[in-house]
Amino acid sequence: DAGVIQSPRHEVTEMGQEVTLRCKPISGHNSLFWYRQTMMRGLELLIYFNNNVPIDDSGMPEDRFSAKMPNASFSTLKIQPSEPRDSAVYFCASGIRGRFGYTFGSGTRLTVV
Amino acid sequence: DAKTTQPPSMDCAEGRAANLPCNHSTISGNEYVYWYRQIHSQGPQYIIHGLKNNETNEMASLIITEDRKSSTLILPHATLRDTAVYYCIVSPQGAQKLVFGQGTRLTINP
Repeated sequence: DAGVIQSPRHEVTEMGQEVTLRCKPISGHNSLFWYRQTMMRGLELLIYFNNNVPIDDSGMPEDRFSAKMPNASFSTLKIQPSEPRDSAVYFCASGIRGRFGYTFGSGTRLTVV
Repeated sequence: DAKTTQPPSMDCAEGRAANLPCNHSTISGNEYVYWYRQIHSQGPQYIIHGLKNNETNEMASLIITEDRKSSTLILPHATLRDTAVYYCIVSPQGAQKLVFGQGTRLTINP
């Protein structure tokens, strides 16, 4: 089991550019979560999906952020346009609904200059 | 969700037991206690969870007081690789939103 796979590991982009972060959950998991981590705010849940359907996106900071899950094995988090304050580590996690414990990926460190 | 209170940092000697406390005085009857840890530059890792009984797995033990207002995560023989931030989270059964606080930064010293 390769675990939750996120790409890229690091992303540096200029303000105003579109950024797309990718996540491949563990096969068989039916829940997927996107978190953001900063020094100031810690780990924040942005959005989560069950069976590819977005359930709660109340943590998405602005309309510049969007997330999709077109199938059970792939999800994207897009920021358009990006701003310096979006700089953070973005984590994807997956799990089985009703079971305890989620598996997190290694994260994508985003720097917007 | 119930809030948790953890010490910001702790130190422990390698080979000794590390005991990490967590207060959750407003916990409700259907809320579980979860523990995750985050090693530097990695994603959080699930450790253990419990409702009211003490629990043990290959990673750690979880001791929950009888009134459920506090708990302790025990790493029986800490190693340098256990240096991490440890998060105590309280969440209702079936809830999927885990709210992470600031956690306890545990440093294992040689």
